[in-house]
Order: sequence, then structure tokens, then C-alpha cells
Amino acid sequence: NAGVTQTPKFQVLKTGQSMTLQCAQDMNHNSMYWYRQDPGMGLRLIYYSASEGTTDKGEVPNGYNVSRLNKREFSLRLESAAPSQTSVYFCASSEAPHSNQPQHFGDGTRLSIL
Amino acid sequence: GENVEQHPSTLSVQEGDSAVIKCTYSDSASNYFPWYKQELGKGPQLIIDIRSNVGEKKDQRIAVTLNKTAKHFSLHITETQPEDSAVYFCAARRAGSYQLTFGKGTKLSVIP
Repeated sequence: NAGVTQTPKFQVLKTGQSMTLQCAQDMNHNSMYWYRQDPGMGLRLIYYSASEGTTDKGEVPNGYNVSRLNKREFSLRLESAAPSQTSVYFCASSEAPHSNQPQHFGDGTRLSIL
Repeated sequence: GENVEQHPSTLSVQEGDSAVIKCTYSDSASNYFPWYKQELGKGPQLIIDIRSNVGEKKDQRIAVTLNKTAKHFSLHITETQPEDSAVYFCAARRAGSYQLTFGKGTKLSVIP
């Protein structure tokens, strides 16, 4: 049982390049999330998808776009990467948005922008 | 919005001793409080959670306590082992919200 799978695991980009981070879950969860983790900052929500077909901004959405491709997949796109977007990106999923069900995390994508 | 503060930022204990990590939250409407453990190079993993209608919850060597009046909750790890070494995050979620607000993490080191 894979849980939440993120690809790629590592990536180096040049400023201005674009990139899509992929996330897939096999737990039949309705809700999916994208976070970024920076040293000393904890995890901050970028975007979330409460259910298939819906997406909403989180705490730090600027410079990112998302697509909920189907129930399993939720992608994060950087259209024009900036050094400030160097971070570790985590995807998570949960059974339902409002119920107090835990979020399950992938192992992250480590992204460096030069 | 919700603000979660976590202390201490680093904690070193001898193997077999107890470790306590404390968090405070600002939004009195928050009703769900999970704790996550993150090992190096891995994503956060849920280790225990508590809902606002419960004051304490235990799972083997791990316990969480919640004081709604004071708006703080704590993680207690007893009989610590080297494999408990990791970064621990607390979080809080307001009732009806999708968003978890995380603390900044505590790096726990268990010294053999």
C-alpha cells in the first residue's frame, strides 16, 4: 500500500523555468493538499482540493497553480520559478475535508532554484 | 487566523527519560489537534491526535493532553528510545476549516 506518492524526489531548476510536481494517493481520499516546508517555518499550506473538481488557495499561494486531475492525482505547477521557491514540497491527503480525519503525507519533493 | 506556537525548538534527553513538548493556539474555535513525527528525509507521520471533547489520550508510550481553557496542548513521550529522535510538529484546525496550522517543530534528540 503506497499511500501518497510524490514525483520527482529531487529537482534543480534555473530561475524562470517552469515545473510540475506530481502527487498521487491510493487511499480513495476525497481531499488533497500541497504544503511547503522551510527551515524554522514549519509547514505552510499552498493550495488544497476539498474534493475532485475543486481547488482553493491556502496560506501562501502566490507563484503556484494546481490541478486536481482526478480523485487520485493533484499536481502543483511553478510557472516561472524564483529562488524564494526553493523548499521541500509535501503533498497530503485526507478522507474528508471537514471531519477530523488525519492528513497523510508523502515523502516530499526537494526543489532548488538557482 | 490561527497561530500555533511550539516549545522548545530543540530538546535533548537521556534514553529512558521522558520528553514533553508544548504548544499553544490562538483560535478558541479550534477542535482538532494532531501531532506529527518527521524523520530525516521523510514526510510527517501522524503519531497521535486529540479532539476538543477529550482532555487526554494515550497510545503506549505517547500521550497528549489538552487544556481548552488555557488553549494549550502537550505531547508526552515516556521511556524514550533512540528511535524517538526526530522532529515533532503540533498542529491545530478550526472547526469547519480545511486548513491545519502547524507549529514550527521541535527537534528531539535521545542520547543513548
